[in-house]
Amino acid sequence: SQQGEEDPQALSIQEGENATMNCSYKTSINNLQWYRQNSGRGLVHLILIRSNEREKHSGRLRVTLDTSKKSSSLLITASRAADTASYFCATGDNYGQNFVFGPGTRLSVLP
Amino acid sequence: DGGITQSPKYLFRKEGQNVTLSCEQNLNHDAMYWYRQDPGQGLRLIYYSQIVNDFQKGDIAEGYSVSREKKESFPLTVTSAQKNPTAFYLCASSKVVVTRGGYEQYFGPGTRLTVT
Repeated sequence: SQQGEEDPQALSIQEGENATMNCSYKTSINNLQWYRQNSGRGLVHLILIRSNEREKHSGRLRVTLDTSKKSSSLLITASRAADTASYFCATGDNYGQNFVFGPGTRLSVLP
Repeated sequence: DGGITQSPKYLFRKEGQNVTLSCEQNLNHDAMYWYRQDPGQGLRLIYYSQIVNDFQKGDIAEGYSVSREKKESFPLTVTSAQKNPTAFYLCASSKVVVTRGGYEQYFGPGTRLTVT
């Protein structure tokens, strides 16, 4: 059962610009996580935000969570070519298990 | 180095043959997962295990089987019953949640299986 849905499906920006990706989900969650995947590789965990949190930062990453709208956003500031990857949101149920991944946003950062 | 290893990176099989994909972790995680990823798609959960000798079906378990005889190992067998087995397979592990809050998953590098 698909839970998270990222938007947009693809995003192309210039180096130095900010990139914003959104994730919407349908049911109650315990936590929401963002992952990055470089082409043909495994996923790398970026940030976990819990349902009682509204915003988290990690370096150039900022994640917000609005449980009333069942949505989250990932902001990458001052993007670099190395940020080119697919970004996935994943929601965890009330026991923190049963992660459900969205289809991802493909980000291209042009030099 | 701690982490998850999957082998092989690329695997080719003839239709009708069973094939087993390896996943090993030395992170001392109790939970392990198998996902399938098709081109341009997200991840779909095949099986997961929260403890040795126990595992649960995910969303697309048909045509797959797993075992969890050791904490470190969670091999996935793609059987001949799987109608469309060509895909990228990812293994992951995480701590088991004992309180609400959740833990991140750590992923292996993946195995790309091609069945012809």
